[in-house]
Amino acid sequence: AQTVTQSQPEMSVQEAETVTLSCTYDTSESNYYLFWYKQPPSRQMILVIRQEAYKQQNATENRFSVNFQKAAKSFSLKISDSQLGDTAMYFCAFMKSDGGSEKLVFGKGMKLTVNP
Amino acid sequence: GAGVSQTPSNKVTEKGKYVELRCDPISGHTALYWYRQSLGQGPEFLIYFQGTGAADDSGLPNDRFFAVRPEGSVSTLKIQRTERGDSAVYLCASSSITGELFFGEGSRLTVL
Repeated sequence: AQTVTQSQPEMSVQEAETVTLSCTYDTSESNYYLFWYKQPPSRQMILVIRQEAYKQQNATENRFSVNFQKAAKSFSLKISDSQLGDTAMYFCAFMKSDGGSEKLVFGKGMKLTVNP
Repeated sequence: GAGVSQTPSNKVTEKGKYVELRCDPISGHTALYWYRQSLGQGPEFLIYFQGTGAADDSGLPNDRFFAVRPEGSVSTLKIQRTERGDSAVYLCASSSITGELFFGEGSRLTVL
């Protein structure tokens, strides 16, 4: 079974600063996807960024980038130029890519607060 | 609609009652998922539909939980004889062949 661990329950950062959210996972699969989701108070999970495990290049989406270390099973999210709207819960998630059920395995989440 | 719609947004019920939660996915999305998110936790997988059939129901906690998707679009999650431990946010998501999951805003269930 796959597990996803987010060891930091909460972080705060000043607006415009850079923050890194950590995530580790455990799996015996060789092909999989990793995700970061954002959950604001509206409860809707919003995809921030996605990484295919077979790709060595780290994914980037505007101010969001990841540091994917496959051997270490580490998948951290870096948010640059933090904005007040980035305040939310952030969840790291894993999905097998074996063509079967595409279910996500989530970590416990981390509460990020961006202060003005 | 433009996104995944879930109703009701909030539901309060008494222990032992029957509850139905509805999910209306994005039009054309063949895959539909139900997740349960307890307080302070990440979402946990319940069931996955591909079309009308449940392709994976391994996450349903017990036989009090059941879900249907009779026409391959709207899905209903049904909970019988509710217990206080069933209190959670129930999230629905849908996806097309591209694979990205789009989530609704969830239904918060409170069992008194």
